[in-house]
This record gives sequence, structure tokens and C-alpha cells, in this order.
Amino acid sequence: GAGVSQTPSNKVTEKGKYVELRCDPISGHTALYWYRQSLGQGPEFLIYFQGTGAADDSGLPNDRFFAVRPEGSVSTLKIQRTERGDSAVYLCASSSGVPYNEQFFGPGTRLTVL
Amino acid sequence: SQELEQSPQSLIVQEGKNLTINCTSSKTLYGLYWYKQKYGEGLIFLMMLQKGGEEKSHEKITAKLDEKKQQSSLHITASQPSHAGIYLCGADIDNDYKLSFGAGTTVTVRA
Repeated sequence: GAGVSQTPSNKVTEKGKYVELRCDPISGHTALYWYRQSLGQGPEFLIYFQGTGAADDSGLPNDRFFAVRPEGSVSTLKIQRTERGDSAVYLCASSSGVPYNEQFFGPGTRLTVL
Repeated sequence: SQELEQSPQSLIVQEGKNLTINCTSSKTLYGLYWYKQKYGEGLIFLMMLQKGGEEKSHEKITAKLDEKKQQSSLHITASQPSHAGIYLCGADIDNDYKLSFGAGTTVTVRA
């Protein structure tokens, strides 16, 4: 079956603008994760969904960041009033959670804030 | 700061030679995951280790989790150019499913 897909693959925006990043998980996976990866670093956790609800959003850096998963499948990460420091690769992963929590990652969206 | 320490940060190996990457945590690892990443791409799942002392192999790659579940190693035998990339260890350190990652080890294989 298809893997995790993310769109767009690249997004260039200006400081202060609003952006939306989309993640389409592996079909049937109930768990969905967003991570952010800066150059030369490993991914850092942002938010975790189990079904439609955000089970853990402790990694969101501030209230400019928000994510939804209204139907328990596709998720959208929303960033308001973007700042240059938001520039990074945003990675999405999904997992069936059963029996183990192998997380399968998408190709990422490279966000550049000018 | 990274909660998992990976070493070395980078390494260059001659094709056909073996290499080892280490991943260390000060906390118990509830699940340890190895991924490979090529520049500008997503993470490719390699292996998951759950139990202390566990060892798994796939093709020429072997991963081990120590008995105390605080350290893992990834070993590649007879490296090939296709093994080049960034290797990342990720771990569930709070037993809550989210993963913490090391900074990665960049592997270069010279022909």
C-alpha cells in the first residue's frame, strides 16, 4: 500500500504569513505524529494524534502552531504569523500502534520563511 | 538539546569495511528505533528493538539493545555505497509513544 504522503514538498513564504502543511497517513493507522527537523539535528516531536483527538501537543513551540485531524485520517499542521525561525523540515509519521509502535515517516515538507 | 547521544557524529569508511554507530541514553529506552535518512528526504524505518539484550539483523545491518536498555548499536558489515546516508536512532524514553531522536550519524562510503 501507499506510504505516508505530505504536501507540499516545499513551501516558501514570507514572514508573517499563514501556512498549512498536509499529511496523509498510511490507511488504517490510528496514530499520527508531527515532528520538526532543523538542519543537522534529529526530528523533534510536535504533536501526537490518536484518532481525531490530540493526545499530546506538548511539543508545539507556541500558540502560533496548531494541528487538526477532523476525520481521524488526514492531518493539517497550521502555522500563523510565520517567523524565520520556523524554517525547517516538517515530518509526519503514522503508526498502527499494534503490536508495536513502529512509526513510518513521510518525505517531509521543507518550509522556508523569508 | 538531544536526549539521545549518537556517536560518532560522522564517519568515512572504505567500501567493504565494517562500521558501528552507537546510541546512548541516560534513561531507560522503552522502544529503540533505527532510521536511515538521505539528504532532503524522509526517514526510512530500519529496525525496532524492544527487549533488553535483543538483537535483530536485516541483510548486512545488525542492531542490538543492551541488557539495561540504555544503549544501542548499529553495525554494518561489508559496507556498500548504498549504505551511505544519515542514520538516526529514535527512542520512546517516557513510555508514551512519542520519539526522541539523536542528532544522527553521517556515513560516507568511499569506493
